[in-house]
Amino acid sequence: GAVVSQHPSWVICKSGTSVKIECRSLDFQATTMFWYRQFPKQSLMLMATSNEGSKATYEQGVEKDKFLINHASLTLSTLTVTSAHPEDSSFYICSAKEGLRNYGYTFGSGTRLTVV
Amino acid sequence: AQTVTQSQPEMSVQEAETVTLSCTYDTSESDYYLFWYKQPPSRQMILVIRQEAYKQQNATENRFSVNFQKAAKSFSLKISDSQLGDAAMYFCAYSDPTASKLTFGTGTRLQVTL
Repeated sequence: GAVVSQHPSWVICKSGTSVKIECRSLDFQATTMFWYRQFPKQSLMLMATSNEGSKATYEQGVEKDKFLINHASLTLSTLTVTSAHPEDSSFYICSAKEGLRNYGYTFGSGTRLTVV
Repeated sequence: AQTVTQSQPEMSVQEAETVTLSCTYDTSESDYYLFWYKQPPSRQMILVIRQEAYKQQNATENRFSVNFQKAAKSFSLKISDSQLGDAAMYFCAYSDPTASKLTFGTGTRLQVTL
């Protein structure tokens, strides 16, 4: 089945620095990728939708300049948390949809970000 | 906007028994997709089952089946012969025909006891 690889699985960074999270579709081309944020014991909150070669579409309330998303190829999307602060600490998950099919969305394993 | 509601924050079932998780949704679309995802302690999201709204037949995947009531906008998940490995958070999710994004419910935490 479809596999999405997400790295790193966990990262600790200092306040004020930037962190990049990668999401790769390993065996299919992902025309659309999604980035979610999940707080403890809560549901997934969609942050943005990225389409290959175009600008990401951010959900209301998500800071575009803080959460930079790049979908440069059909197999790679990146999320960069810029000037991270402790309140950005969270679990970030990516998912990908293959082409126009809607057989399901394949999720990465998530990244636990801790900002100290 | 579409909404997905899971009214059971927590459920418990004994091993080998059957449990049903509830989900309702709101949409004005006639064609859409519904999903149940499982999130174990590892936090990896795993697709459990998928239902296409234009199909009247309820989807089934081994021990997992759904009761899809389109008119009532209800999409419950039945887990038969529950196993310890079924313990997880279960999220109901909705997607429109363009599959632009998934809308998740708040989740139900399932405990499986011996």
